[in-house]
Amino acid sequence: NAGVTQTPKFQVLKTGQSMTLQCAQDMNHNSMYWYRQDPGMGLRLIYYSASEGTTDKGEVPNGYNVSRLNKREFSLRLESAAPSQTSVYFCASKGLAGFAYEQYFGPGTRLTVT
Amino acid sequence: AQSVTQLGSHVSVSEGALVLLRCNYSSSVPPYLFWYVQYPNQGLQLLLKYTTGATLVKGINGFEAEFKKSETSFHLTKPSAHMSDAAEYFCAVSAGGADGLTFGKGTHLIIQP
Repeated sequence: NAGVTQTPKFQVLKTGQSMTLQCAQDMNHNSMYWYRQDPGMGLRLIYYSASEGTTDKGEVPNGYNVSRLNKREFSLRLESAAPSQTSVYFCASKGLAGFAYEQYFGPGTRLTVT
Repeated sequence: AQSVTQLGSHVSVSEGALVLLRCNYSSSVPPYLFWYVQYPNQGLQLLLKYTTGATLVKGINGFEAEFKKSETSFHLTKPSAHMSDAAEYFCAVSAGGADGLTFGKGTHLIIQP
């Protein structure tokens, strides 16, 4: 199993450009998540999807849109990138590990907006 | 609503000394608690988790944490630090269900030789 995969690993955008971050998981998990990590801020939840066909806002959704394409894939779109969106983006999925749930994280996408 | 406070953005210990990273949480429902480790330019790796049952939780790499409901704490410890423990550590809380994790701001652990 590859677990949670993310593409691309690195991206540089100019202000106003758009792009989509891709995430896929092969663990048959229902729930998927997008976080951003900024220095000194920890990770903050952008959007999540409890199951295929549903999405909900997290703590910092402004400037982002998401699509739960199918059970495996959950994409994050920046329609008009801003320097404040320079960050490392992590995708995660949630599933049972033993008798409890835990989240499994992808390797991250490092995005720079100039 | 939930929140996590990690005391100390940087903690420095000598190799072989006790590691203690502090985490306090706030939750309106019984919490699920997690510690993650992040090595430079890498993703997050789960160290340990508390869901229900035994309050002393053992994780990977010799780490453990104790859930203390009365103190709303979930401090991470390791008896003897190793150079390879140098990393960023995050405490996180969840209410369960499909909700995401709420993370603390992280503690950078420095190991002095």
